[in-house]
Amino acid sequence: GENVEQHPSTLSVQEGDSAVIKCTYSDSASNYFPWYKQELGKGPQLIIDIRSNVGEKKDQRIAVTLNKTAKHFSLHITETQPEDSAVYFCAASSGSGTYKYIFGTGTRLKVLA
Amino acid sequence: KAGVTQTPRYLIKTRGQQVTLSCSPISGHRSVSWYQQTPGQGLQFLFEYFSETQRNKGNFPGRFSGRQFSNSRSEMNVSTLELGDSALYLCASSLNGDRSTEAFFGQGTRLTVV
Repeated sequence: GENVEQHPSTLSVQEGDSAVIKCTYSDSASNYFPWYKQELGKGPQLIIDIRSNVGEKKDQRIAVTLNKTAKHFSLHITETQPEDSAVYFCAASSGSGTYKYIFGTGTRLKVLA
Repeated sequence: KAGVTQTPRYLIKTRGQQVTLSCSPISGHRSVSWYQQTPGQGLQFLFEYFSETQRNKGNFPGRFSGRQFSNSRSEMNVSTLELGDSALYLCASSLNGDRSTEAFFGQGTRLTVV
């Protein structure tokens, strides 16, 4: 069935270091891959996304890469700051006609000052 | 532009009761999706509405239902509440619900069933 695996489940980095979160999807029909950041007591916030016709996308300190052949996509955060501490979710659009996302299980990122 | 608004933010209900949650999407957005978030199961898709029609439903029992109004506002209802229904219920708004369109989440409604 449809599945998105996300690793690691927790990640601690020193302030200023880089963080990488990886996801693997199963549905070859997925064509859109958003990343969400969720802070305590808040709803998920869309931080970056990538479509299947693009291999990489960057927005300041955040970048996402997509390998369609391997069905992998990754989030890269450079120069991490304490305010980057949150839970990050990857997602993949489900097959055509289903209008939903399949979410990964989340990565709790802690940036240590 | 105002974001997605969910009301109420918090609810405490007793087993067996029913509950209705509300979601107002971003102005101009016509698709509303609902997700249940729990520590054990993560984010699970409930259903999606577009132009007052349910286009997709997740694997939840019939006690979970929803509807959408002509102004795109949506409600979801859970009847005969069970302890396991305690969760954060999130609504996501998108322009047309196309699977490659950005979706924006509200703050959620935290439901506790006692």
